[in-house]
Amino acid sequence: TQLLEQSPQFLSIQEGENLTVYCNSSSVFSSLQWYRQEPGEGPVLLVTVVTGGEVKKLKRLTFQFGDARKDSSLHITAAQPGDTGLYLCAGDNTDKLIFGTGTRLQVFP
Amino acid sequence: DAMVIQNPRYQVTQFGKPVTLSCSQTLNHNVMYWYQQKSSQAPKLLFHYYDKDFNNEADTPDNFQSRRPNTSFCFLDIRSPGLGDAAMYLCATSRSVTEAFFGQGTRLTVV
Repeated sequence: TQLLEQSPQFLSIQEGENLTVYCNSSSVFSSLQWYRQEPGEGPVLLVTVVTGGEVKKLKRLTFQFGDARKDSSLHITAAQPGDTGLYLCAGDNTDKLIFGTGTRLQVFP
Repeated sequence: DAMVIQNPRYQVTQFGKPVTLSCSQTLNHNVMYWYQQKSSQAPKLLFHYYDKDFNNEADTPDNFQSRRPNTSFCFLDIRSPGLGDAAMYLCATSRSVTEAFFGQGTRLTVV
């Protein structure tokens, strides 16, 4: 069974701080995605990374795919209360998406 | 415009009374998923359709069934809901195994 472990599981920070969320697996994925989910809603896709070592930026969010395509990280610069939510990584496994264990982020004003 | 629509948004059912949740999509995606999500946990895959092929996760209880009569619609049937089945149920679609588009979910309460 492929597992995607995220760390940390919970993160509470003040507005303006930086943070990094990690997504690790022992398996190789051909692509990896990051989603954000707000309470009472479905997850929304943020980014897809495909190439080992790839870095993508989305405003204050920076996503990196590990060289071996087994891990990924999400870095948020100067976090805002609007960044609050559940962050999920997901990897493709031949015919389905496998989700990570999730990181719940709370940003306080 | 909503592309993956789940109905209803909120469903209350009695213990043991069969219930059906529905999902429709306008994206013409060939893969449809059903996930169960409990209080702040990550979504747990129950089953998925790759085209017409049904794929059940090994740990999905027999109490959960699914139907996909055509590309656009997919149903989740819970034959005898228990209190432990109360959760958010998420439907998602994707073109082959790429980015997934989720519906807003159905929150199921079992009383």
